[in-house]
Amino acid sequence: AQSVTQPDIHITVSEGASLELRCNYSYGATPYLFWYVQSPGQGLQLLLKYFSGDTLVQGIKGFEAEFKRSQSSFNLRKPSVHWSDAAEYFCAVRNTNAGKSTFGDGTTLTVKP
Amino acid sequence: NAGVTQTPKFRVLKTGQSMTLLCAQDMNHEYMYWYRQDPGMGLRLIHYSVGEGTTAKGEVPDGYNVSRLKKQNFLLGLESAAPSQTSVYFCASRPLGRQETQYFGPGTRLLVL
Repeated sequence: AQSVTQPDIHITVSEGASLELRCNYSYGATPYLFWYVQSPGQGLQLLLKYFSGDTLVQGIKGFEAEFKRSQSSFNLRKPSVHWSDAAEYFCAVRNTNAGKSTFGDGTTLTVKP
Repeated sequence: NAGVTQTPKFRVLKTGQSMTLLCAQDMNHEYMYWYRQDPGMGLRLIHYSVGEGTTAKGEVPDGYNVSRLKKQNFLLGLESAAPSQTSVYFCASRPLGRQETQYFGPGTRLLVL
């Protein structure tokens, strides 16, 4: 069965600092991987996705993520955080056959001025 | 183009009452999904549909029923609501194709007293 672990429940960074959110997955083959962002009271917005090919993927809002098969990880990064990035971030893995997604429990990002 | 819409946005039920949540999409997507999101947790799949007239169980299907009589609509029913079903419910849809992404609705907040 597929699973996703986001080890950090809550992260606080200063505005302008760099950010890395961790995501580890378990899946039997090469997975489809996603990062979503959720602002309070809102639905999920896709930041970026990995299906195959280049292991470093670029997303919206200046985010990027790197797929590392050897570490079963798909960490999200941003070089300089803005106050508007404060939100909850979810990593997800999708079964390439049945199309069902499994989400991590999320990481809440707080940005200090 | 409204995308994915959910009705209602908020509802309060008493234990034992029934209700139906409606998800509608105008993008002609084949796949539709119902998730629930509880505090401190990611989204968990309740039921999904791979096409009109077909439904399947997800990770947490107990206490819920679904129907997909029309391609654009996916209904989630609670026959006898329980306090444990207090949650935020998200609907999503995506096109046919293994590398397509999901589009999420804004959510329905349900409180069962």
